[in-house]
Amino acid sequence: GIQVEQSPPDLILQEGANSTLRCNFSDSVNNLQWFHQNPWGQLINLFYIPSGTKQNGRLSATTVATERYSLLYISSSQTTDSGVYFCAVGFSGTYKYIFGTGTRLKVLA
Amino acid sequence: NAGVMQNPRHLVRRRGQEARLRCSPMKGHSHVYWYRQLPEEGLKFMVYLQKENIIDESGMPKERFSAEFPKEGPSILRIQQVVRGDSAAYFCASSLGTDSGNTIYFGEGSWLTVV
Repeated sequence: GIQVEQSPPDLILQEGANSTLRCNFSDSVNNLQWFHQNPWGQLINLFYIPSGTKQNGRLSATTVATERYSLLYISSSQTTDSGVYFCAVGFSGTYKYIFGTGTRLKVLA
Repeated sequence: NAGVMQNPRHLVRRRGQEARLRCSPMKGHSHVYWYRQLPEEGLKFMVYLQKENIIDESGMPKERFSAEFPKEGPSILRIQQVVRGDSAAYFCASSLGTDSGNTIYFGEGSWLTVV
């Protein structure tokens, strides 16, 4: 069946470190988004990126749709980056999104 | 605030009562999605609706759960005869539903506690 898997499941960083989060998906996609769920539970849109590369400040993302993966890069991490990062994928033929398993990030001061 | 609005933010129900969660999509959005998040877990798709139509309810439990998105007013997720296992955060999202880019935006969630 349709699967969206993220790695690593957990990540602990020292403030200032860089990290790469990965999202693998099992089928062709029309839509892909990255979200940050902060410690208060809010889901914050980071990127809409079904293909290509985008950058926003210290964050950037790349999706290689033909190889069925997306990467989220966090540079110079800050404690406010802590939380859970989800990728969500919209597969061809549907507008609904399936969420990945998430990466729980903790950034230490 | 032009974002997705959910209410109530927190709801406590006794076992056997009904819970009604409301979602007003972003202005101009006609597609609504409901997701459930159990503690320490990811978001699970429940149902996808357009105005007056259920498009995909493949994630909805077969019993006690229903959803609607009437022509006028918010989308409603209704849980009848709640049980402790229904305790979760319920998130609503909306989108334009276009083929050229279907970005979804989430509300702040409704936290249901069943006691």
